[in-house]
Amino acid sequence: SAVISQKPSRDICQRGTSLTIQCQVDSQVTMMFWYRQQPGQSLTLIATANQGSEATYESGFVIDKFPISRPNLTFSTLTVSNMSPEDSSIYLCSVRLQGGGQPQHFGDGTRLSIL
Amino acid sequence: QKEVEQDPGPLSVPEGAIVSLNCTYSNSAFQYFMWYRQYSRKGPELLMYTYSSGNKEDGRFTAQVDKSSKYISLFIRDSQPSDSATYLCAMSAGGNNRLAFGKGNQVVVIP
Repeated sequence: SAVISQKPSRDICQRGTSLTIQCQVDSQVTMMFWYRQQPGQSLTLIATANQGSEATYESGFVIDKFPISRPNLTFSTLTVSNMSPEDSSIYLCSVRLQGGGQPQHFGDGTRLSIL
Repeated sequence: QKEVEQDPGPLSVPEGAIVSLNCTYSNSAFQYFMWYRQYSRKGPELLMYTYSSGNKEDGRFTAQVDKSSKYISLFIRDSQPSDSATYLCAMSAGGNNRLAFGKGNQVVVIP
């Protein structure tokens, strides 16, 4: 597996502000993903972070709200923009080490609360 | 019908009991099946990973897949208080297809 570090681990933010979450992996990986985990809900995929190109967003998520960068094969960021209380959630970074069908490995997440 | 159904519980068992968890799914294209364990304030940790139908055993953990019934199970033998966590099932059709997750099942093992 891989060691996946996420920063910050938690934050409390004011509505209308933005927060950038960082995800660092200790080895080069093909695929990196960003998820949202809300209480009582399944993990929801926000987007796939593509190295060197624009992220691929899932239905219901847009780049203006969740801009993503992936400058290299070990690092990605997710920004939650213009936050509202509905954005309070756990945001998780995951990676897939090899080809199709391989499992994903997750970081410990960022616990975000919006006041 | 949701793609993956998992009864969220919670499930409380005495120490030493067998824990039985399951998920059902609707997409017959799923071929890869995973169980993740998530402790409080931590990310999901891969516990078991299987391909297609059959059983897989790893220590006290056994994963079963029945593709004909679209049903997967996780059994934990001789449960310990350290097994107290939320268990999530996940599955994929492979390739670059996304993972589909259950809601997670909270398990509490009582000493």
